[in-house]
Amino acid sequence: EVQLVESGGGLVQPGGSLRLSCAASGFTFSSYEMNWVRQAPGKGLEWVSYISSSGSTIYYADSVKGRFTISRDNAKNSLYLQMNSLRAEDTAVYYCARYQEGGDFDYWGQGTLVTVSS
Amino acid sequence: QSVLTQPPSVSAAPGQKVTISCSGSSSNIGNNYVSWYQQLPGTAPKLLIYENNKRPSGIPDRFSGSKSGTSATLGITGLQTGDEADYYCGTWDSSLSALFGGGTKLTVL
Repeated sequence: EVQLVESGGGLVQPGGSLRLSCAASGFTFSSYEMNWVRQAPGKGLEWVSYISSSGSTIYYADSVKGRFTISRDNAKNSLYLQMNSLRAEDTAVYYCARYQEGGDFDYWGQGTLVTVSS
Repeated sequence: QSVLTQPPSVSAAPGQKVTISCSGSSSNIGNNYVSWYQQLPGTAPKLLIYENNKRPSGIPDRFSGSKSGTSATLGITGLQTGDEADYYCGTWDSSLSALFGGGTKLTVL
C-alpha cells in the first residue's frame, strides 16, 4: 500500500525557517517524481515544487522561488522541503504528492500544517 | 485568481447528474492532460480522473472526464450524498508549473 506521511509542520515567526519531510513507503520511491502542494486555510490547492526521480530536475512556483528548496534522499525514501524567509501567506497545509507520467498526482499524504505568525 | 477557471459551486439532487467545467488556455489545458481531484471535508485530495478521461482503480464509472480544446469537464452521475466535496481540475503549463483550478464545491441537495 502506497503511503506518504508528512511531518515537520508547526508555528514559526515571519522570516523564520522550517523543514518539512515526507516519508514514503509501499512503492519504489527512487522511480517516482514527487511534488509539494499546499492549501491555505479555506482556499484551493496551490502547487509548490517538483523534483525528478533522481533529483536532477527541479521546478518551483514563482511564489516560493528563491525561498524554498526541494530535495530528496532515495536511500531513505524521503522527500524534503526547506522553507526559508517564511511569510504569513505561506500559512497552509503542505501535502507531498506522487507524480504520474501524464502530469497528475496519484497519491497524496495527509498533510502537515505550517502556520507563519508572530 | 486561478489560471484555470471553475464554477465556485454546483448542486443537484441525489440520483441526478452534474458537470463541472474547467477552462484554461492553449498554454496549459490545450497542450497537456487534465486531471481531476476530489477533496472530502477535512481530508487530502484524491485522484479521480487522469489523462483527461481515465479512472484510477477503485473509482466508480459514475465519474467521467472529457477535454475539448482548452476546456475540460468532470461529470458525475447517480449523485450520492457522499459525493459532497470540493473538486479541482489540474494540468501543467508551458512554463513548467502545475496548475489547479480554484475548486468547485458540490452540494447534493
